[in-house]
Amino acid sequence: GAVVSQHPSWVICKSGTSVKIECRSLDFQATTMFWYRQFPKQSLMLMATSNEGSKATYEQGVEKDKFLINHASLTLSTLTVTSAHPEDSSFYICSARETYREGVSGRFYEQYFGPGTRLTVT
Amino acid sequence: AQSVTQPDIHITVSEGASLELRCNYSYGATPYLFWYVQSPGQGLQLLLKYFSGDTLVQGIKGFEAEFKRSQSSFNLRKPSVHWSDAAEYFCAVGGRTTSGTYKYIFGTGTRLKVLA
Repeated sequence: GAVVSQHPSWVICKSGTSVKIECRSLDFQATTMFWYRQFPKQSLMLMATSNEGSKATYEQGVEKDKFLINHASLTLSTLTVTSAHPEDSSFYICSARETYREGVSGRFYEQYFGPGTRLTVT
Repeated sequence: AQSVTQPDIHITVSEGASLELRCNYSYGATPYLFWYVQSPGQGLQLLLKYFSGDTLVQGIKGFEAEFKRSQSSFNLRKPSVHWSDAAEYFCAVGGRTTSGTYKYIFGTGTRLKVLA
């Protein structure tokens, strides 16, 4: 259980174009999803937190207009990199946290991670 | 503020030797602690987690970790390393921030190299 998928797993796009990455929770509902960015040989950096039906919360220094996040359903969040440039090339990982259930502790805080999407902008 | 420190950027061990990866955290309340492993070009795989209870946690692939509140540490151990354990290891702490949101904070990672 608790499987998160990402699509595509790898994408190459030309500079100036936009690319959309999907993150899906396959066997649970996720009110909250998270988007991370990872540069080569570095750690994960949280970009934004998305909540179903509301605007995403971006971390300091992350451009909201460049990285558009939509969380339209309890199982899908999308990250759109607009007007991509080579410096946007990175490994993007999403995670999902199960919708809160009364009486269930601990698991509420756990994030389940997707396999990641490698974006290369040429 | 929450923070996670992994003091060792690189560690090299011989196959069959024991392993300990260090993780220290800073958090105002009881933290939720995790260890993940990442192979090159791959996503994260959860090795083990600590929420509460027994401070010695058993995980997958023969790994274990011990939560020591007095030392603010959550070190990962394995008694005998296999060549397939070569990867990047991340420690993470999860919890509520001062702004009320729940987040994970990741350490910088430790790259493990295993010598045959």
